[in-house]
Amino acid sequence: DSGVTQTPKHLITATGQRVTLRCSPRSGDLSVYWYQQSLDQGLQFLIQYYNGEERAKGNILERFSAQQFPDLHSELNLSSLELGDSALYFCASSPTPPTEAFFGQGTRLTVV
Amino acid sequence: GIQVEQSPPDLILQEGANSTLRCNFSDSVNNLQWFHQNPWGQLINLFYIPSGTKQNGRLSATTVATERYSLLYISSSQTTDSGVYFCAGRENSGGSNYKLTFGKGTLLTVNP
Repeated sequence: DSGVTQTPKHLITATGQRVTLRCSPRSGDLSVYWYQQSLDQGLQFLIQYYNGEERAKGNILERFSAQQFPDLHSELNLSSLELGDSALYFCASSPTPPTEAFFGQGTRLTVV
Repeated sequence: GIQVEQSPPDLILQEGANSTLRCNFSDSVNNLQWFHQNPWGQLINLFYIPSGTKQNGRLSATTVATERYSLLYISSSQTTDSGVYFCAGRENSGGSNYKLTFGKGTLLTVNP
């Protein structure tokens, strides 16, 4: 158990819909990262939050957004979903200063 | 950004065999990690190894930061070692961008 909790584990939804993925980081970790793993793109960094503030952005689509709340949990919002958004979405957290990153079990999103 | 190359892309072994997986980086990196993604999709931390050598049971890893590569050794492989092995590192560029860049992975299949 990495200590990073993601919900839900699986999500099936239709094109055009909006979903929210949730992540609770390890106790004491202020940094949260979101990654997308698809068959053709591999593991891609989406966005990082540190203590409630956006710190870095990767290849995140405009239809996607994220936030980190005062209790440090984070949510990734995916809207106007397309078939190509089907992927495994991971959340990770790390201590400060950053050393080892720990990943949650992932949310497998299927868009039909 | 940095490029991460892993080799070989695929590896098939008989149970009991040894193997070496390699990870090359295009530039200097921090926070180098090795992960195992099991058939259920979970990313399991194997090693946090910015430099030097570490061992954990049948697995060991060596990072030569000055030459920008890392090696993962698996000895006496077991069928449960099957899965995808990823290496990842953070750019050594300072600042607050702490994202990990992943290689495409090595798919290991261990046959009984």
